[in-house]
Amino acid sequence: DVKVTQSSRYLVKRTGEKVFLECVQDMDHENMFWYRQDPGLGLRLIYFSYDVKMKEKGDIPEGYSVSREKKERFSLILESASTNQTSMYLCASSLVGQPQHFGDGTRLSIL
Amino acid sequence: KQEVTQIPAALSVPEGENLVLNCSFTDSAIYNLQWFRQDPGKGLTSLLLIQSSQREQTSGRLNASLDKSSGRSTLYIAASQPGDSATYLCAVDSGNTPLVFGKGTRLSVIA
Repeated sequence: DVKVTQSSRYLVKRTGEKVFLECVQDMDHENMFWYRQDPGLGLRLIYFSYDVKMKEKGDIPEGYSVSREKKERFSLILESASTNQTSMYLCASSLVGQPQHFGDGTRLSIL
Repeated sequence: KQEVTQIPAALSVPEGENLVLNCSFTDSAIYNLQWFRQDPGKGLTSLLLIQSSQREQTSGRLNASLDKSSGRSTLYIAASQPGDSATYLCAVDSGNTPLVFGKGTRLSVIA
C-alpha cells in the first residue's frame, strides 16, 4: 500500500515565522502535490512537482515556496506566515495517469 | 479552463437507500475521472478511476459511470450504510495539467 506521510497532524505558529511542512511518499512516485483545503472553497492547488528539482505553480502559489531535493520528499514552505494561511494542508503523490494518494493532512493555525 | 461541479453540496438519506451523487465538468477532453472519499479531518482516499474510454467502474457497492459527451459522471452507492457518511469528491484529469476537483458532496446516512 502506498503511504504518504505528512510530518505533523496539527501545527501552531506565529505570524511572520518561516514554516516548513514536510511530505514523504514511499512508492517512487514522480508526481507530488500540495493543496490547501478551506470550507466553501474546496481543494486548491498550491504547487506541484513532476520530478526531482522540478516545481510548477498551482492556482494559489503566493506566499509559498516548495523544495524537492529527493524524489520521495516534497516540502512546502511558508516564507513569512500570515493568519490567512491558517488552513488544512494536504500532500498527494501519484504515478502519471494513476490515482493520487493523499496524506492525512496538516491542520495549521497561524496566530 | 476546466470546471467541475458537484450537486448537491449535501445529502442526507436513511440507511439502506440506494443513492446517486452527481459530477459535471465543462471540457469533455479528459484523460480520466476520479472519485474520492474524505472523512472529517482526514486526507482523501481514492475510490474509483474511470479512463476516458470507459463507461463505468465498479468496486463493491460503488458504481461510477462516465458520459464524456455530456460532461457528466455519477457515483452510485447501493444499500447505503452509516459508515458511508463522508464527503465525496470527483476530480478530472485532462492529461497535461493537474487534477481539477469539485467541491464535494457531504453525505450523511442516518441509521
